[in-house]
Amino acid sequence: DVKVTQSSRYLVKRTGEKVFLECVQDMDHENMFWYRQDPGLGLRLIYFSYDVKMKEKGDIPEGYSVSREKKERFSLILESASTNQTSMYLCASSPAPSKGETQYFGPGTRLLVL
Amino acid sequence: AQKITQTQPGMFVQEKEAVTLDCTYDTSDQSYGLFWYKQPSSGEMIFLIYQGSYDEQNATEGRYSLNFQKARKSANLVISASQLGDSAMYFCAMREEAAGNKLTFGGGTRVLVKP
Repeated sequence: DVKVTQSSRYLVKRTGEKVFLECVQDMDHENMFWYRQDPGLGLRLIYFSYDVKMKEKGDIPEGYSVSREKKERFSLILESASTNQTSMYLCASSPAPSKGETQYFGPGTRLLVL
Repeated sequence: AQKITQTQPGMFVQEKEAVTLDCTYDTSDQSYGLFWYKQPSSGEMIFLIYQGSYDEQNATEGRYSLNFQKARKSANLVISASQLGDSAMYFCAMREEAAGNKLTFGGGTRVLVKP
């Protein structure tokens, strides 16, 4: 079974703090993704990576950065957390593009920025 | 313009009845795929069903079927014989070949199954 794990299920941070969200997958997938989920907006792509040390901006990259030093790990960084970054963050991974292949999601991190 | 539209923010369904969740999409790509996911209150995203743009048959997976109408650009999910455990958020998503492996999601539909 594919397993995608995220470092925390719940996180509370203060405005201005640097926040690290970690994601690890155990299936040797090339692709990894970070989404944020907000009510009524579905999931929106923040950043994704097709390979180690490679990253591409998604639809809403402002205020975020990412790091992929190893194939199995993809980190999302909030350089200076703000209250509008309070959200549910979901990590996903998938093998190289294959038409019917789904992305596999982690359990999510609910982040509250005070 | 929205690429994926789910017009039903929420709906009730009686246990054992069927329910249809609407999804319309917008793409100029000829090759694309449509996915449905279920998200229970625990938060994990569960893959339900996939339909490719060139698939001639509507996809089915157990109690889930996808009513794919290509000309209308709709990919509605049908859940037959609803169970209490079907209460969840449901998301429609699209992958366009030109966009690589990225998924675009709709806003979701919350389903509540009544006993």
